[in-house]
Amino acid sequence: GAGVSQSPRYKVAKRGQDVALRCDPISGHVSLFWYQQALGQGPEFLTYFQNEAQLDKSGLPSDRFFAERPEGSVSTLKIQRTQQEDSAVYLCAGTPRGSETQYFGPGTRLLVL
Amino acid sequence: DQQVKQNSPSLSVQEGRISILNCDYTNSMFDYFLWYKKYPAEGPTFLISISSIKDKNEDGRFTVFLNKSAKHLSLHIVPSQPGDSAVYFCAAFPTGNQFYFGTGTSLTVIP
Repeated sequence: GAGVSQSPRYKVAKRGQDVALRCDPISGHVSLFWYQQALGQGPEFLTYFQNEAQLDKSGLPSDRFFAERPEGSVSTLKIQRTQQEDSAVYLCAGTPRGSETQYFGPGTRLLVL
Repeated sequence: DQQVKQNSPSLSVQEGRISILNCDYTNSMFDYFLWYKKYPAEGPTFLISISSIKDKNEDGRFTVFLNKSAKHLSLHIVPSQPGDSAVYFCAAFPTGNQFYFGTGTSLTVIP
């Protein structure tokens, strides 16, 4: 594709519901990052993959958050038993091999009621 | 602990004038810095970057300056255009690691 895509673009969930957010990176993007952006804040790191290996998950706020990238391309961020404080924009970014620049998708805006 | 800080949440500039956006960081291990531009309902778009071995990088109307001793970088846009109105984030990281983002500066260019 022309760029990183994310789906859904918007998600409204009831508190306690599980959600799954999808990221389709650009073909050839070896590294994939997930960020959480709260209103009025900058993106904050959640987790990082190199190919299918999750190399850093230090930013995941709790064990309700889980990310995977089983075939080294598409990635899914899953949030179990959502809470209101999980409401944010979730951004996915990819990095081409040999580059340090991260290219972002449009984000998924999650609202937990 | 905010390792990258953008202390001006907003900035207004007249069209044609220079816009200067500032960013400070605390971690001396950061060696690569980027500026991203973000429109509403879109993801951040890469604008310009600079490595710590340089003190200036220029790309068209955009110039980034890095002062390592002061742990400060700035983005200059000249001349400013109405289409430049957006939120600008600076990001920093030690090579091969996660990005740390500032909280953003909302730039408004007045026609």
